[in-house]
Amino acid sequence: QSVLTQPPSASGTPGQRVTISCSGSSSNIGSNTVNWYQQLPGTAPKLLIYSNNQRPSGVPDRFSGSKSGTSASLAISGLQSEDEADYYCAAWDDSLSYVFGTGTKVTVL
Amino acid sequence: QVQLVQSGAEVKKPGASVKVSCKASGYTFTSYGISWVRQAPGQGLEWMGWISAYNGNTNYAQKLQGRVTMTTDTSTSTAYMELRSLRSDDTAVYYCARDYVDTAMVGYWGQGTLVTVSS
Repeated sequence: QSVLTQPPSASGTPGQRVTISCSGSSSNIGSNTVNWYQQLPGTAPKLLIYSNNQRPSGVPDRFSGSKSGTSASLAISGLQSEDEADYYCAAWDDSLSYVFGTGTKVTVL
Repeated sequence: QVQLVQSGAEVKKPGASVKVSCKASGYTFTSYGISWVRQAPGQGLEWMGWISAYNGNTNYAQKLQGRVTMTTDTSTSTAYMELRSLRSDDTAVYYCARDYVDTAMVGYWGQGTLVTVSS
């Protein structure tokens, strides 16, 4: 079972800002960096943010990440219809495993 | 560009084994590790383990210890994941994924391989 907790859903209208939280513990987010993934329907996940707040080449700057203590957040500004997807946070855990969040489904209203 | 191409869908009976391949291209294979991640139907992502393509060192998820083996063939730039004693709850899409950079795992993903376990 996932050890990183995310809200099951989030939504917004086009152009709005949406924020997704990711809550962990001292053994994962508290001591290691956080990555975020976007999974469009029927496709493989894609790396969206790495090392807390870095964007891979090609990821729009509408996506941003942050971390504070044992929690992290992903923000999507200027929400677009193509942002409708599942989003997962992830981090290395000191128990020697890579743990994913429970996932958040973003709906564009 | 980095590409990871996985083998095709499999249907297995309970108790059988499955071996999924992941052929890498577009980079130096031995420079990055590869993780395997699975996703049961309608569920979230589960990390299964990681293998160094440099020296073959592995780190398996505790839940799968004893049932999973990850290997690489550097001559063909291919990674393999074998899962034994299959159960119905092993039905999932299995992904391979390359480390993004030294400090970030699970960056580039394969297209996924559906493994169905059914009697």
